[in-house]
Amino acid sequence: IAGITQAPTSQILAAGRRMTLRCTQDMRHNAMYWYRQDLGLGLRLIHYSNTAGTTGKGEVPDGYSVSRANTDDFPLTLASAVPSQTSVYFCASSPLPGTDTQYFGPGTRLTVL
Amino acid sequence: QKEVEQDPGPLSVPEGAIVSLNCTYSNSAFQYFMWYRQYSRKGPELLMYTYSSGNKEDGRFTAQVDKSSKYISLFIRDSQPSDSATYLCAMRGGAAGNKLTFGGGTRVLVKP
Repeated sequence: IAGITQAPTSQILAAGRRMTLRCTQDMRHNAMYWYRQDLGLGLRLIHYSNTAGTTGKGEVPDGYSVSRANTDDFPLTLASAVPSQTSVYFCASSPLPGTDTQYFGPGTRLTVL
Repeated sequence: QKEVEQDPGPLSVPEGAIVSLNCTYSNSAFQYFMWYRQYSRKGPELLMYTYSSGNKEDGRFTAQVDKSSKYISLFIRDSQPSDSATYLCAMRGGAAGNKLTFGGGTRVLVKP
């Protein structure tokens, strides 16, 4: 089934631990994005990648890192998780950077205690 | 102040009613406007987009943009229980470039 997959679906994590959220798309889209969604704040962009091999910072990048080694995968790493990173994380992709149609994955619910 | 403001709701309407949603924004450089629909525990999906002031219709949905007032709206006619979801406005343009700025979302409940 074409689309975006994210793993894990949910995770409870102790503060200070390292965590990588996985994102894979099979639509051969050039651009990929990571957002966090918090109640009342909508979706906020963490990092993005316009094409394989490049990444950029979004609105709330602190405490997160990404890599884009190939077209399909765009993992998000929390080096040392803190409780304020408790959120729902969505990965998205679009055919080209700036395309208004972004396709979203099902999300990862992360709780940091 | 947020760049994009959206009433969080919930907005509860009876089946068949018209649902009216809106967003205001402060950045006059925004040129492209979108509405995404998000069902519970799912990712958002694009519902409609528009690039200019005025109305755009797609079936039961009408998107309206008033750039002079920095105000956009989404109307859902003949609402159905399956329309129950959170609706997020999004926009881009100006210094933000290709990045989308989202509103906080309005939760809509359509009661049978």
